[in-house]
Amino acid sequence: KQEVTQIPAALSVPEGENLVLNCSFTDSAIYNLQWFRQDPGKGLTSLLLIQSSQREQTSGRLNASLDKSSGRSTLYIAASQPGDSATYLCAASRQLTFGSGTQLTVLP
Amino acid sequence: EAQVTQNPRYLITVTGKKLTVTCSQNMNHEYMSWYRQDPGLGLRQIYYSMNVEVTDKGDVPEGYKVSRKEKRNFPLILESPSPNQTSLYFCASSTDRDRGYEQYFGPGTRLTVT
Repeated sequence: KQEVTQIPAALSVPEGENLVLNCSFTDSAIYNLQWFRQDPGKGLTSLLLIQSSQREQTSGRLNASLDKSSGRSTLYIAASQPGDSATYLCAASRQLTFGSGTQLTVLP
Repeated sequence: EAQVTQNPRYLITVTGKKLTVTCSQNMNHEYMSWYRQDPGLGLRQIYYSMNVEVTDKGDVPEGYKVSRKEKRNFPLILESPSPNQTSLYFCASSTDRDRGYEQYFGPGTRLTVT
């Protein structure tokens, strides 16, 4: 059964820093890896989806990479802003299995 | 606007009183699913549906029912709610799960069972 782990569970950084969130999965037979953002008490917003045949995806200040062989994905956030404060979740598919998330706080 | 809607957004009920949480999507997606989110346990899938009249259990289906009579709607039914079903519930849809199409989530329904 797929297990998805996210490290760290919480992260606090000053505004302007570049940062990396980590996601690992146990079963490399995935179809895709998706990163989501969740604001407190709100729904999930899809940030980036990487198909299993791809190595990375970029959207604005966000870059996600995927290494299926090692069971890892990273989300890179450049020049962080207070508005980036949220919980970031990764999910691996076949059946969408979520990690428990990284709670990010960007301090002004 | 492409979206997944859920109703109600907040619900407080008592043990044993049947309830239904509705979910609707306007993107003509075939695949829909329900999740619950609990502190320390993350998001867990309850049920999913690959298409009309096709549903299957996820990781935590006990105590829940679903139906898929129309492509756009996928209601979640709690026949006899219990306090351990107090949770934040999300509905999601995508064009094709197995091809990894982007998942769209509803805004969530916060359910409290007393």
